Amino acid sequence: DSGVTQTPKHLITATGQRVTLRCSPRSGDLSVYWYQQSLDQGLQFLIQYYNGEERAKGNILERFSAQQFPDLHSELNLSSLELGDSALYFCASSVADRVGNTIYFGEGSWLTVV
Amino acid sequence: AQSVTQLGSHVSVSEGALVLLRCNYSSSVPPYLFWYVQYPNQGLQLLLKYTTGATLVKGINGFEAEFKKSETSFHLTKPSAHMSDAAEYFCAVSDRGSARQLTFGSGTQLTVLP
Repeated sequence: DSGVTQTPKHLITATGQRVTLRCSPRSGDLSVYWYQQSLDQGLQFLIQYYNGEERAKGNILERFSAQQFPDLHSELNLSSLELGDSALYFCASSVADRVGNTIYFGEGSWLTVV
Repeated sequence: AQSVTQLGSHVSVSEGALVLLRCNYSSSVPPYLFWYVQYPNQGLQLLLKYTTGATLVKGINGFEAEFKKSETSFHLTKPSAHMSDAAEYFCAVSDRGSARQLTFGSGTQLTVLP
């Protein structure tokens, strides 16, 4: 158990819908990272927040957005869903905002778009 | 941009045999280097990392990797494979400057034969 909690674990939704994935980082960690794992694209970095502020952005679509709340939990919002958005979405956390420090991954949220 | 190549999407070894998983990076400046393991239906777990210092890095579960700047490589080895090592292994890099996101290789599925 990494200490990073993601909900829901599985989600099935229809095209065009909107979903929210939730992440609670490890106790004391200020950074939250979101990654997408799909068969087509592999593991891709989406976005990083540190203590509530966006610090880095990767291959995140405009239909996707994220935020980190004052209690440090984070949410990833996916809208206008397409079949290609079906993937495993990972949240990870670390103490600092540099990956030289160990980052810990949650077990992921499986999203299936039908 | 950083990139990382893992040679061999599938590797099979016999139990007790040497495990060698290959990883090469492309960067003019040596990045931070990582190996992660993913067991079925689980998140990614850090095996080991190289940021600075000794180029031979020892990780968990008997794995180690050696950073070779001249070969731009960071191959993962384990002297004797166990059945429990069967999993998918990912090499990842991060730029030293920003060090905020991991760029992952495409992964190598390790099968351990009895």
